[in-house]
Amino acid sequence: DTGVSQDPRHKITKRGQNVTFRCDPISEHNRLYWYRQTLGQGPEFLTYFQNEAQLEKSRLLSDRFSAERPKGSFSTLEIQRTEQGDSAMYLCASSNLPEAGNTIYFGEGSWLTVV
Amino acid sequence: AQKITQTQPGMFVQEKEAVTLDCTYDTSDPSYGLFWYKQPSSGEMIFLIYQGSYDQQNATEGRYSLNFQKARKSANLVISASQLGDSAMYFCAMRVNTGGFKTIFGAGTRLFVKA
Repeated sequence: DTGVSQDPRHKITKRGQNVTFRCDPISEHNRLYWYRQTLGQGPEFLTYFQNEAQLEKSRLLSDRFSAERPKGSFSTLEIQRTEQGDSAMYLCASSNLPEAGNTIYFGEGSWLTVV
Repeated sequence: AQKITQTQPGMFVQEKEAVTLDCTYDTSDPSYGLFWYKQPSSGEMIFLIYQGSYDQQNATEGRYSLNFQKARKSANLVISASQLGDSAMYFCAMRVNTGGFKTIFGAGTRLFVKA
């Protein structure tokens, strides 16, 4: 399978715990994106990387959130001291050259439930 | 600021009939791309169709076509010959040159196909 893969697919955690999600993009894609989606809503942009550089972060990304893409390949999204409001699906996507015509391809998402 | 608006929270269509899902967008950038994604209940985001702002003809992909009216800033998705498997959430999205090429999404339309 050469699509975007995310791990874990589902995570249940207690409030206050830290969680980390991993994303492996399509191998030749240099852009990687993280989105958050809550029930009944469209995906909301969180952050994106071009190769290993994090180029933009949404104000939705509080100080408890951190994302890395150390070697320009896979990426991790860590949430520290989780809160119930963090419960959502976290979607990773990747794309090729940064031109308006290139679509982004999504992984299957990582569902987070904070109890 | 860029914005995508989908005004239909839910739509019903009879199997084998055509349905139009509405999408309007707002951007001052002359170069942008418009996309439609399908999200079944399993959660994955499936790319359906793309329209570039400079494309002269409406995009088509199998049973999907995009009715692009640039002056009205609308990019409606038309699904012909609906099938039961078309029941899903549908998201309109836009990617522009400004704002780092991130893709922004509308709130989505849930389509129900009736047998």
